Amino acid sequence: DGGITQSPKYLFRKEGQNVTLSCEQNLNHDAMYWYRQDPGQGLRLIYYSQIVNDFQKGDIAEGYSVSREKKESFPLTVTSAQKNPTAFYLCASRDRGAQPQHFGDGTRLSIL
Amino acid sequence: QKEVEQDPGPLSVPEGAIVSLNCTYSNSAFQYFMWYRQYSRKGPELLMYTYSSGNKEDGRFTAQVDKSSKYISLFIRDSQPSDSATYLCAMSSGGATNKLIFGTGTLLAVQP
Repeated sequence: DGGITQSPKYLFRKEGQNVTLSCEQNLNHDAMYWYRQDPGQGLRLIYYSQIVNDFQKGDIAEGYSVSREKKESFPLTVTSAQKNPTAFYLCASRDRGAQPQHFGDGTRLSIL
Repeated sequence: QKEVEQDPGPLSVPEGAIVSLNCTYSNSAFQYFMWYRQYSRKGPELLMYTYSSGNKEDGRFTAQVDKSSKYISLFIRDSQPSDSATYLCAMSSGGATNKLIFGTGTLLAVQP
């Protein structure tokens, strides 16, 4: 089955700790995205990548970092600099051209 | 003013009703319009994808875009309890990054 797999489903972070959220896709999509979803605020773009070894900041990149070493993988690290990390994190990908984005099932991050 | 406005609801309807969900936007450069359905604790699922103005129908779902009024709608006919979810509108102006701007979502409850 082709799709986007996010893991873990739930994640807990201690103060001062960095945590990494995994996103893997087997759709052979070029572009990948990370969003944060908070109640009443909709989805906000954190980072995106259009090709391997290249990525750009989105609207709320502070306190986050990413890498894109392989086409199918786009991990997101939530660093200790992100002071309000509790949220639902969504990864998306899309094929080239004017194709819509497709989403994984998210990771819910909470603070211990 | 937000670029995309969407009534958060909640909207409660009886089974079998016709549901109308709407978004307004301010950026006249938007050309691509999407509706996503999101169940609780899941990622958004693409329902409808349209380009420019006009109507698109898929089963019980119809998407309408009125670019002159900067207004998009999603109609659900013969609504079912399984349609109970949050519906997100999203739009973009296209281009290489295909950055999506999302509404905050409308929570729909279809009562059996």
